[in-house]
Amino acid sequence: GQNIDQPTEMTATEGAIVQINCTYQTSGFNGLFWYQQHAGEAPTFLSYNVLDGLEEKGRFSSFLSRSKGYSYLLLKELQMKDSASYLCAVRDSNYQLIWGAGTKLIIKP
Amino acid sequence: IAGITQAPTSQILAAGRRMTLRCTQDMRHNAMYWYRQDLGLGLRLIHYSNTAGTTGKGEVPDGYSVSRANTDDFPLTLASAVPSQTSVYFCASSLSGGEDTEAFFGQGTRLTVV
Repeated sequence: GQNIDQPTEMTATEGAIVQINCTYQTSGFNGLFWYQQHAGEAPTFLSYNVLDGLEEKGRFSSFLSRSKGYSYLLLKELQMKDSASYLCAVRDSNYQLIWGAGTKLIIKP
Repeated sequence: IAGITQAPTSQILAAGRRMTLRCTQDMRHNAMYWYRQDLGLGLRLIHYSNTAGTTGKGEVPDGYSVSRANTDDFPLTLASAVPSQTSVYFCASSLSGGEDTEAFFGQGTRLTVV
């Protein structure tokens, strides 16, 4: 079966750095996505990786290792508004997105 | 403002009733999707459409039907609602069903079946 694993919840301090990990086992691979979802709102796109390596976009970076079936999302200079759930999703061989359950990130002052 | 709109935003529905969730996008995206989101689970694909006139089944299609008569609209129908269909439903769209990079989501419909 297909599976996306990420931690259920993480806590970090305002101004710090946090890394959210995602491991996957899917039938084929056509890219990995990270989305942010604030409570009661729609998911919004953060990043996309299809090749191994690091993609940087402002305070957010995403890393991919296809051989290890592993990705992480790195958030720097954390702000209170970063408190949200972070969803990892993999596009499989049929170009369908397989979603993890999400990691709830709690930022403390 | 361009985007994707869902209606209603929330609904309480008696079991056995028929219900249609509406979804409209004005971005001229070819692909559209319906997901349900339940606590502790990832988004699960119900049905999708890669282009107007075509639809496909996702991971959890039973009890749901869709149609795609034109590019903009992708309604989801529950023929006879059951309590297990209580969930938050998200409609999404993307430029195509293939190599494009991101999907855009509506604000969701919170459905409670009692």
